[in-house]
Amino acid sequence: EAGVAQSPRYKIIEKRQSVAFWCNPISGHATLYWYQQILGQGPKLLIQFQNNGVVDDSQLPKDRFSAERLKGVDSTLKIQPAKLEDSAVYLCASSSGAWKGDTQYFGPGTRLTVL
Amino acid sequence: AQKVTQAQTEISVVEKEDVTLDCVYETRDTTYYLFWYKQPPSGELVFLIRRNSFDEQNEISGRYSWNFQKSTSSFNFTITASQVVDSAVYFCALSDPTGANNLFFGTGTRLTVIP
Repeated sequence: EAGVAQSPRYKIIEKRQSVAFWCNPISGHATLYWYQQILGQGPKLLIQFQNNGVVDDSQLPKDRFSAERLKGVDSTLKIQPAKLEDSAVYLCASSSGAWKGDTQYFGPGTRLTVL
Repeated sequence: AQKVTQAQTEISVVEKEDVTLDCVYETRDTTYYLFWYKQPPSGELVFLIRRNSFDEQNEISGRYSWNFQKSTSSFNFTITASQVVDSAVYFCALSDPTGANNLFFGTGTRLTVIP
């Protein structure tokens, strides 16, 4: 079974530029998560989707970050405009969504460097 | 509010030694789930174990074992006869299934196994 796919793996941009990350979850997984992991810290949730609806985006900086999961499968996370403090690894995870507390499986992440 | 504390920032051991990684959590919920993930240098978070709050049995999987003690709110992880391939950052995480089922991560423990 294929795991969570993410692209690109690495991205370097100048501040104030825009960037987009893509995630394809494990087949059949209804729930998709985006996490931000700053160097030396644990991942922090940005947004959670159940199918194509948003469950929790309370930690998403909505003035610059946006995310969508239009067909309930793959998802895109966008930053516009980027700031220096957005340098981090962006991790996508998915879970079956069949019950609370089910296991989240993570993709390889996208390492973003903002110069 | 959910909180996970991993007090050990970095641990170094010599190959074949045993090592225990500590995890202490805080939650007001009676139903919750605890997880351990491994993050090797490649960056992907690899799922190791999931434990629900009603199951206090210790678990062993090969060289890995986990000790869950509700009385002290701890969920410690022991690697027996450590190997160089165990070198990674290990994260303990707590999910709140009564909410949005998000994962709250600790800050991680970097384990280095010296050959």
